[in-house]
Amino acid sequence: AQKITQTQPGMFVQEKEAVTLDCTYDTSDPSYGLFWYKQPSSGEMIFLIYQGSYDQQNATEGRYSLNFQKARKSANLVISASQLGDSAMYFCAMNRATGNQFYFGTGTSLTVIP
Amino acid sequence: GAVVSQHPSRVICKSGTSVKIECRSLDFQATTMFWYRQFPKQSLMLMATSNEGSKATYEQGVEKDKFLINHASLTLSTLTVTSAHPEDSSFYICSVGGPVGYEQYFGPGTRLTVT
Repeated sequence: AQKITQTQPGMFVQEKEAVTLDCTYDTSDPSYGLFWYKQPSSGEMIFLIYQGSYDQQNATEGRYSLNFQKARKSANLVISASQLGDSAMYFCAMNRATGNQFYFGTGTSLTVIP
Repeated sequence: GAVVSQHPSRVICKSGTSVKIECRSLDFQATTMFWYRQFPKQSLMLMATSNEGSKATYEQGVEKDKFLINHASLTLSTLTVTSAHPEDSSFYICSVGGPVGYEQYFGPGTRLTVT
């Protein structure tokens, strides 16, 4: 069974600072994908970044980077230069190579302080 | 990315009635769609996998007779909450797997309130 753990229910960061949101996972599958989604108060799920289990390099997308440590089964999201619009819920998710179901962590509520 | 729509975006119904939620993939054909439920301040929980032309696959603990899923075409899946009760009030989100393989595109969600 797949399990995603996000241990930070809430985080605060000063505007323009960097913040790391933690995510650990557990799976017996050799091939899987790791994702981060942002969910603002409107409810839509916004894709941020993807990391494949066989990718050698950490994924980056603009201000978002994923710190992938396979041996530790962690996939932390780093947001650099935080902006007020980054305030939202952030979910770590995983899918299996076979089938496309997503399994989500419990989420981290990020608040950017001006 | 793919565009996924859901209708309605919000619905309020009385206890005991049934509600249908539509999920449409607007720009590519999807043999598989997924339905999630999200309670306030909680995570998304996968309810079922909707398969075009065949029966849906439900996750453990999800009542298939209560949450009817129909995937009649490659662009439309419907979730019907039958005999709704207040505890069914939730945010329901559908998603569509992308053509490349790992992508998944989410609909904007439907907020159901059962009074």
